[in-house]
Amino acid sequence: GAVVSQHPSRVICKSGTSVKIECRSLDFQATTMFWYRQFPKKSLMLMATSNEGSKATYEQGVEKDKFLINHASLTLSTLTVTSAHPEDSSFYICSASSQGAISFTEAFFGQGTRLTVV
Amino acid sequence: AQSVTQLGSHVSVSEGALVLLRCNYSSSVPPYLFWYVQYPNQGLQLLLKYTTGATLVKGINGFEAEFKKSETSFHLTKPSAHMSDAAEYFCAVSDHDFNKFYFGSGTKLNVKP
Repeated sequence: GAVVSQHPSRVICKSGTSVKIECRSLDFQATTMFWYRQFPKKSLMLMATSNEGSKATYEQGVEKDKFLINHASLTLSTLTVTSAHPEDSSFYICSASSQGAISFTEAFFGQGTRLTVV
Repeated sequence: AQSVTQLGSHVSVSEGALVLLRCNYSSSVPPYLFWYVQYPNQGLQLLLKYTTGATLVKGINGFEAEFKKSETSFHLTKPSAHMSDAAEYFCAVSDHDFNKFYFGSGTKLNVKP
């Protein structure tokens, strides 16, 4: 299957700082990328959908000014958690898919990023 | 709209016993259905998927699942549990157009020696 690489796998930051998480599709062009958040002992919740070259679409309840998403190229999307607070600590996972490719009937997930805000 | 319900947040089985993890879905269109496994502090690994065709799908590590449209279910089974199967399992349904996924709440599988 296709490979999606997410970096970093773990990050610890201080309250008030910003953190950038990268999601790269290594061997295919991802027209669409998705960002999920996993709360402790809960499932993954979709945060936003980003299409290359356009603004991300955020799910209800997700603060777009706090979680900045950029999808500037077909192989890279970034999620920036701005002015991080301890409640932003979570596991963030991206997925990537290539719309229009007949063989793509699933999205491919990154390894996830464990964010801890202290 | 799509949604997924996983019954049982925790399931415990003995090594060698049958594993059954339940998943029911709601979808306004014919669904694409998936099972993923997540080991601690790791990302999601695809176990198996159903898109079209044969309703019984086989995945990795001896797992299989059957799509039952009449029951709107996609339960995951494995005949004989191994200790290495202990992990959290997520059922998901996807939107065909954009591969947007809707996940169940997850089931943590514990395998006792």
